[in-house]
Formats: sequence, C-alpha cells, structure tokens
Amino acid sequence: DGGITQSPKYLFRKEGQNVTLSCEQNLNHDAMYWYRQDPGQGLRLIYYSQIVNDFQKGDIAEGYSVSREKKESFPLTVTSAQKNPTAFYLCASSPRTSRGYGYTFGSGTRLTVV
Amino acid sequence: GIQVEQSPPDLILQEGANSTLRCNFSDSVNNLQWFHQNPWGQLINLFYIPSGTKQNGRLSATTVATERYSLLYISSSQTTDSGVYFCAVLNPRGSTLGRLYFGRGTQLTVWP
Repeated sequence: DGGITQSPKYLFRKEGQNVTLSCEQNLNHDAMYWYRQDPGQGLRLIYYSQIVNDFQKGDIAEGYSVSREKKESFPLTVTSAQKNPTAFYLCASSPRTSRGYGYTFGSGTRLTVV
Repeated sequence: GIQVEQSPPDLILQEGANSTLRCNFSDSVNNLQWFHQNPWGQLINLFYIPSGTKQNGRLSATTVATERYSLLYISSSQTTDSGVYFCAVLNPRGSTLGRLYFGRGTQLTVWP
C-alpha cells in the first residue's frame, strides 16, 4: 500500500544533541512538507520541498535543517539551536501541482527533550 | 500568509448530539480541506470543499467562498468522532502550490 512512513514514533533527546526524524513516501509525490504541532497551536510549517535537491524555509525554520536527495525521502534534523524542540512532528506529501488534492500525512513523531 | 480561524476551540458533546464547527479565512482560496486528527495523531482528510456542499454519511460540509467561511456539520455524534478537527486552505497568492495553511483546530470530545 502507498503511504508515508515516519520513524521513530517516539524520540527522546538530551539538551544539546541533534536528532534526525525520518520521513519516507512511496506515493511518487513530488512535494513534501514538515509540520510542527504544539497543543492549541495547530500545524505550523517548518520546511517544504517541491522537487529533489530543492527546499524552502517555512514559517518556523530556525533550529531545523532538511535534505532532499531522493524523491522518496525528506529527513528533518532538529539541531541544538532549536530552543524548544518538544513537540509532535508531522510529515506530509502531495503531488506538486495538486491544488491540495492528494495531501497525505504520516503518523507523526513525538519528540521530547529530557 | 492567509489567516485561518476556527471556532469553537473546544467542544464537549453527549453521544447522539449534533454540532457545527466553523472556519473563517482571510483571503480567497484555491481549495479548502477539513481534516480529522484521531487521538493517536493521524490526520485524515474528510472533505475537499473549495465551494458548495458535500455530504459523507453523518458528516457534511459547506463552504461559502465569497464570504470566506466553511462549516463542518457532525450529526448523531459518536465517541469515535472525538479528536481534533482542522480546517486548511490553499492560497492562490502563495508561493508554494501545495502549501496548506491550517487553523488551530477544534478539539471535540464525545462522551458515551
């Protein structure tokens, strides 16, 4: 079945460490997105990519980095510069010119700083 | 970017009750979607509804694009309807074709 796989589901990070969240899709979608969700805040866009080897900052990119070396993969690194990284992270993908149709989400990674 | 406001932020219902969730947006949009996030965090698309009315079982949605709002109706609510309901819009003025702007959601709790 086609879909998006995020791993791990739960991740614990010590202060000062970088961690990488995985996102893989087999939907043949060109566009991929990373969102952050905090209680009562809705979903806020961190980074997005419309094509391989290209990505743009979203609304809250500070303290995060991404890469898009393959169409299927869009990993997110939470760096030590991110001051408040505890949150639920959601990856999504869509066809590039879909006008929103076909938008598909992964099941999320819950990151906790300990 | 476009502003998306949802109301109410929280809603508590007895099983069998009906409810209406509202989404207001600040600019014209190419598309509008309603999502349901279950208690485990998974988001599922309920409706694509840039305008008009659609129905799917006990759920229906109406978007009045000229007045920049959308409504999601839930009838005869069930405990499985619990979760967060998000409205998301696609703004044609935006630089990203597929980028969605989300509201803060309505947290729905249905008690048996």
